[in-house]
Amino acid sequence: DQQVKQNSPSLSVQEGRISILNCDYTNSMFDYFLWYKKYPAEGPTFLISISSIKDKNEDGRFTVFLNKSAKHLSLHIVPSQPGDSAVYFCAASEGLRTGANNLFFGTGTRLTVIP
Amino acid sequence: DTEVTQTPKHLVMGMTNKKSLKCEQHMGHRAMYWYKQKAKKPPELMFVYSYEKLSINESVPSRFSPECPNSSLLNLHLHALQPEDSALYLCASSLRGLAGDTQYFGPGTRLTVL
Repeated sequence: DQQVKQNSPSLSVQEGRISILNCDYTNSMFDYFLWYKKYPAEGPTFLISISSIKDKNEDGRFTVFLNKSAKHLSLHIVPSQPGDSAVYFCAASEGLRTGANNLFFGTGTRLTVIP
Repeated sequence: DTEVTQTPKHLVMGMTNKKSLKCEQHMGHRAMYWYKQKAKKPPELMFVYSYEKLSINESVPSRFSPECPNSSLLNLHLHALQPEDSALYLCASSLRGLAGDTQYFGPGTRLTVL
């Protein structure tokens, strides 16, 4: 049973506009959330994270929003650039509570930024 | 150096073969992970080594045998695999294996079992 879901397999956005990638989770014990980016033939690369005590974390063009009541998080990329074209994975863990660093991944969303 | 390397990049093996996947990092990380990713599915955790000791085994069949000879190296020994074991095998490492440690991934080994 998939505990982390990304319901949009793909997203296309014009360069300079905002990209919004969404992620839903079912396990209310998750307390740490991450976004990874993956280019073809490379491993996933860490992008940004957020703990459950926050509802927003920002790093340059990337902002992650967490809505615990809706069990939903989103990644905003502003402005989007062609180099952002990649597959984006949402991941979650219960690590802050258990101490373990097991990550549960979503199925990924392929973002295409059109020049 | 924030690189995790994996060899080989591709591996084709028969069901009776024995082969090994290798993962290496030189970031001083003390936790290393094996994930399996099948097509159009998310990566799924298989094993975690923390300070060279196996700390998590996610009910993986015994035909997969992990080994951590030292803090920089992680191997996955394969024996008597099935065609359904064909997948991308990803290795990752993190500083201590604690919550909040960023996991750094290698590019993966694409395994095909005939």
